[in-house]
Amino acid sequence: GAVVSQHPSRVICKSGTSVKIECRSLDFQATTMFWYRQFPKQSLMLMATSNEGSKATYEQGVEKDKFLINHASLTLSTLTVTSAHPEDSSFYICSVVGGGNQPQHFGDGTRLSIL
Amino acid sequence: QKEVEQNSGPLSVPEGAIASLNCTYSDRGSQSFFWYRQYSGKSPELIMFIYSNGDKEDGRFTAQLNKASQYVSLLIRDSQPSDSATYLCAVEISGGYQKVTFGTGTKLQVIP
Repeated sequence: GAVVSQHPSRVICKSGTSVKIECRSLDFQATTMFWYRQFPKQSLMLMATSNEGSKATYEQGVEKDKFLINHASLTLSTLTVTSAHPEDSSFYICSVVGGGNQPQHFGDGTRLSIL
Repeated sequence: QKEVEQNSGPLSVPEGAIASLNCTYSDRGSQSFFWYRQYSGKSPELIMFIYSNGDKEDGRFTAQLNKASQYVSLLIRDSQPSDSATYLCAVEISGGYQKVTFGTGTKLQVIP
């Protein structure tokens, strides 16, 4: 069964809109979740590490004020793309990891299209 | 910059054959290695993980790791058309608090 639930699966909205994406860990408590972005025909690029109860850690070049991450509980992390523009259109995927050197399990992804 | 390299392909194999996918990495401190399969338009799904040198088998899949040579491979036996996908190699970033670096993926096409 699914380990991670990500919602919504697809969003189409106008430029300037803010979009919130939810990622839920279903099988275990996740102190750490990851947010990735994938452009067409490219690999996954890590955007940020979401840490329960503390601030997210962003990768170099990712604007923390544009991509707001909240990890308020051990099973839920949210990514909000603020004032989205067409260049933010991409496939956003979250992952959860159980701990130690365990593999990451991915949500189904959210395809974001900004008109 | 920690790198993970894969041949982008496409790698075409006939149905029933063995598909061999390779990956090299630069971070000598990496201890954990993962293979994911990604169908077009979908998110990655875990195929296998390996931590120790040697082979690890799971059904039709075998992962091989050689830390001295810094490569990891995935063999798919009795390839099926449903195996056609992009295969992503992911390597743990040493000291990276569970973060991994993904390769660009190898596209596999299994010809019926």
